[in-house]
Amino acid sequence: AQSVTQLGSHVSVSEGALVLLRCNYSSSVPPYLFWYVQYPNQGLQLLLKYTSAATLVKGINGFEAEFKKSETSFHLTKPSAHMSDAAEYFCAVSPTTSGTYKYIFGTGTRLKVLA
Amino acid sequence: EPEVTQTPSHQVTQMGQEVILRCVPISNHLYFYWYRQILGQKVEFLVSFYNNEISEKSEIFDDQFSVERPDGSNFTLKIRSTKLEDSAMYFCASVRENTGELFFGEGSRLTVL
Repeated sequence: AQSVTQLGSHVSVSEGALVLLRCNYSSSVPPYLFWYVQYPNQGLQLLLKYTSAATLVKGINGFEAEFKKSETSFHLTKPSAHMSDAAEYFCAVSPTTSGTYKYIFGTGTRLKVLA
Repeated sequence: EPEVTQTPSHQVTQMGQEVILRCVPISNHLYFYWYRQILGQKVEFLVSFYNNEISEKSEIFDDQFSVERPDGSNFTLKIRSTKLEDSAMYFCASVRENTGELFFGEGSRLTVL
């Protein structure tokens, strides 16, 4: 069984500051891991994905995430926040073994960027 | 780039009415999904569909819900008798086998009055 925990339902950072959004997962098999961003009243946009290749994954809009198996974490970072980064961010886990490839989403973290 | 398309983008209905949400998955994908997101909450799995049958469903997916792929391209979610608590954004998704990456549609917002 898989599960995802996102620590912090709301995170505020100043423009230009480091963004760190936390995601820890639980999985009985090697996982695929994903970060999605959702802007108000819009759908889910894939930011980046870990599919068992490089542990440091670079995504769109300057975001990256590092898969740390020992810590069961997949935290999302961005060196310098921009006002346009304000959105809701969801971490998701999926099993790598064949099956339904069902995603389990975390509860989301709403990022606020302060001018 | 191929994408998952959903219609309608927004539907308003009266409680007790039937609603059908439509999705066209990416053409060479084999697994299809519906997810739901109640306003301000997380994205929840409803059902997965493979080889013309439901492969897994959540406890949310009760007898009021059904899915079908009537013509090999469309993938529909039907809610037989809508309730106020069915108001949500419904996302369709599809995946190619062996990649694990879901491709999501833009969502259909359902408002039940």
